[in-house]
Amino acid sequence: AQTVTQSQPEMSVQEAETVTLSCTYDTSESDYYLFWYKQPPSRQMILVIRQEAYKQQNATENRFSVNFQKAAKSFSLKISDSQLGDAAMYFCAYRRKFFSAGNMLTFGGGTRLMVKP
Amino acid sequence: DTGVSQDPRHKITKRGQNVTFRCDPISEHNRLYWYRQTLGQGPEFLTYFQNEAQLEKSRLLSDRFSAERPKGSFSTLEIQRTEQGDSAMYLCASSPEARETQYFGPGTRLLVL
Repeated sequence: AQTVTQSQPEMSVQEAETVTLSCTYDTSESDYYLFWYKQPPSRQMILVIRQEAYKQQNATENRFSVNFQKAAKSFSLKISDSQLGDAAMYFCAYRRKFFSAGNMLTFGGGTRLMVKP
Repeated sequence: DTGVSQDPRHKITKRGQNVTFRCDPISEHNRLYWYRQTLGQGPEFLTYFQNEAQLEKSRLLSDRFSAERPKGSFSTLEIQRTEQGDSAMYLCASSPEARETQYFGPGTRLLVL
């Protein structure tokens, strides 16, 4: 079974600074998807960024980028120029690529990001 | 297209009562997922549907839980004889195809007294 681990329960960053959230995962598969989801307080979860394992290039979405290290099974999220609206729980998630027994998401425990003005 | 909607948003019930939650996926999304999220934890998969067929259920889904998706549109999740351990946020997500991103609803927060 796949597992996802986020070792930082809480992180804080000064507004306009850069912060990196860590995620490691365990799988025996060679091709899969990785995601970062953001869950603001009392609001629904939204996708921040996704990475396909077979793509060596790290995904980027505006101020958000990932550092995908496949051999190390590491998938960190970097937020540049942090804004107050970035404050939220961030979840790393894994999903199998091939739709055989299902393609549910396996989530990590989350990292609470606080942004200081 | 207003996204995934869930109803109710909050539910307080007494232990032993039955509760039912509803999820309306994004129009034309044929895959629908239910997850459970306890306080301070990441969501855990419960079950998913492809159209009206329930294709997989987690071991977390005890026999007190049942889910349906009649006609492949909205879905309901029923919990019978609720227990205090059922208190959690129940999240619904949908996606158009297997390889596409899952879009989440706002969730139903259940409190069992």
